Amino acid sequence: NAGVTQTPKFRVLKTGQSMTLLCAQDMNHEYMYWYRQDPGMGLRLIHYSVGEGTTAKGEVPDGYNVSRLKKQNFLLGLESAAPSQTSVYFCASSTFRSEQFFGPGTRLTVL
Amino acid sequence: AQKITQTQPGMFVQEKEAVTLDCTYDTSDPSYGLFWYKQPSSGEMIFLIYQGSYDQQNATEGRYSLNFQKARKSANLVISASQLGDSAMYFCAMREGYTGGFKTIFGAGTRLFVKA
Repeated sequence: NAGVTQTPKFRVLKTGQSMTLLCAQDMNHEYMYWYRQDPGMGLRLIHYSVGEGTTAKGEVPDGYNVSRLKKQNFLLGLESAAPSQTSVYFCASSTFRSEQFFGPGTRLTVL
Repeated sequence: AQKITQTQPGMFVQEKEAVTLDCTYDTSDPSYGLFWYKQPSSGEMIFLIYQGSYDQQNATEGRYSLNFQKARKSANLVISASQLGDSAMYFCAMREGYTGGFKTIFGAGTRLFVKA
C-alpha cells in the first residue's frame, strides 16, 4: 500500500517559471489537501477538495491553482513562481472522521 | 472564523515526567474534529490522537491523552512518561463539519524538548 505519494520530491525553479505538483492516494479518500510549511512554522492550508471535481480555497490560496479530475489525484499548480513560494509542500488525504494521511513532502526552492 | 492557537513555542520536560501541550480553538460549527500530530526532525507527519466534538469521553492512545474541555474550547495534549524520542514538533489541528466546509487547519506548533 503506497498511501499518499508526492511527485517530485525536490524542485528548483526560477522566478516566473511554472510547475505542477502531483499528489496521489490509493486509500479511496474523499478529502485531499495541499499545505505549505515554512521553516519553523506550522502547516498552512492552500487549497483542499472534498470530492472529485470539487476544490475550495484554504488560508493562503493566492498564487496557486488546483484540480481534482480524478478521485485519487490532486494537482497543485504554480503559474508564475515567486521566491515567497519557497517552502515544503505537503499533500494529505482523509475521510471526514479519519486522521489525515500525509505524503513525504516536496521541497521547492524559487530563485 | 476557524482558528487554532498554540501558545507555547517551546517546552522542556524531564525524561519520564508528564507534559501538557496547550491548544485552543475557535469555531461556530457544532460538528468538528480535533487532531494532534507529531513532526520529528525527519519531517514526516505522525498522527497521535483524535477527539470528535460529540465524543463524551476524552480520547486516549497509549501514552497520549487529550484533555478536551468543550466549553473552554481547549484540546490539550498530555504525554505521560516522556521519552527522549518524544522530542519533536507537535501540531494541533481542527476539521470543521458541513458549516465550515470540512476545512482542516493547523496551529503554529509547539517544539518539545525532552531532557535526559
